[in-house]
Amino acid sequence: ETGVTQSPTHLIKTRGQQVTLRCSSQSGHNTVSWYQQALGQGPQFIFQYYREEENGRGNFPPRFSGLQFPNYSSELNVNALELDDSALYLCASSLGVGSGVGETQYFGPGTRLLVL
Amino acid sequence: QQQVKQSPQSLIVQKGGISIINCAYENTAFDYFPWYQQFPGKGPALLIAIRPDVSEKKEGRFTISFNKSAKQFSLHIMDSQPGDSATYFCAASDSNSGYALNFGKGTSLLVTP
Repeated sequence: ETGVTQSPTHLIKTRGQQVTLRCSSQSGHNTVSWYQQALGQGPQFIFQYYREEENGRGNFPPRFSGLQFPNYSSELNVNALELDDSALYLCASSLGVGSGVGETQYFGPGTRLLVL
Repeated sequence: QQQVKQSPQSLIVQKGGISIINCAYENTAFDYFPWYQQFPGKGPALLIAIRPDVSEKKEGRFTISFNKSAKQFSLHIMDSQPGDSATYFCAASDSNSGYALNFGKGTSLLVTP
C-alpha cells in the first residue's frame, strides 16, 4: 500500500509569483485535505476535496485554490505569493465522510515553501 | 481563533518517566480527537485517537484520557524513551466539517537518557 506522497519537497519562490503543489493520496482514499504549517505552529486547515469537489474551506483567501483529479490526486495553487506564505504545506488523505472511518487522516511529508 | 488549546508548550522527561500533554476544546460538535507525532522535516503521523463515547483508550505505551464534561483530553506516554522525542499535536474534528482537523499549537517533548 502506497502512502501519501507530495511534490516537490522544497521550493523557493519570490513574492508575487504563483506556485503549484501536488499530492497523491493513499491508495483507496477519495478525500484530500490541505494544511499550512508555519514554523513552530500546528497545521492550519486550508481546504478539503471529496470526489473532486471542494468540501470545506478554512480561513484562507481566494488566492489559495485547489483541484482534485479523477484518480483523487490533488493540487494546491497559491497566487500572488506573500512572505507569510512561507511554510510547510501538508496534504492528508482519508477514506471520506460516510465511510465509517473517514475521520482518520494520513499525512504526507509536506512541501517546504520559502517565499523571498 | 484557536479552537484547541494545548499545554505545555515544551516538556522534558527522563527516560522511563511519564509524559503528559493536555488539551482543551470549546466546540461541543467535535466528535473525533486524534493525537499526532511529528519529527523534524516530516509530516504528522497518527499516534492514537478517541471518540467521546469512551473515557480512555490505550495502545501500547500511549493512553488518551477523555473528560467530556470538562471538554478536556490528554495524552499519557508511559515509560518514555529518547526515541519519543518529537513534537506532539492534539486535534479535534467533527463530521459536519468533513473532519477537517483543528490542531493545538504542539508540545515539544524531549526525553533525556
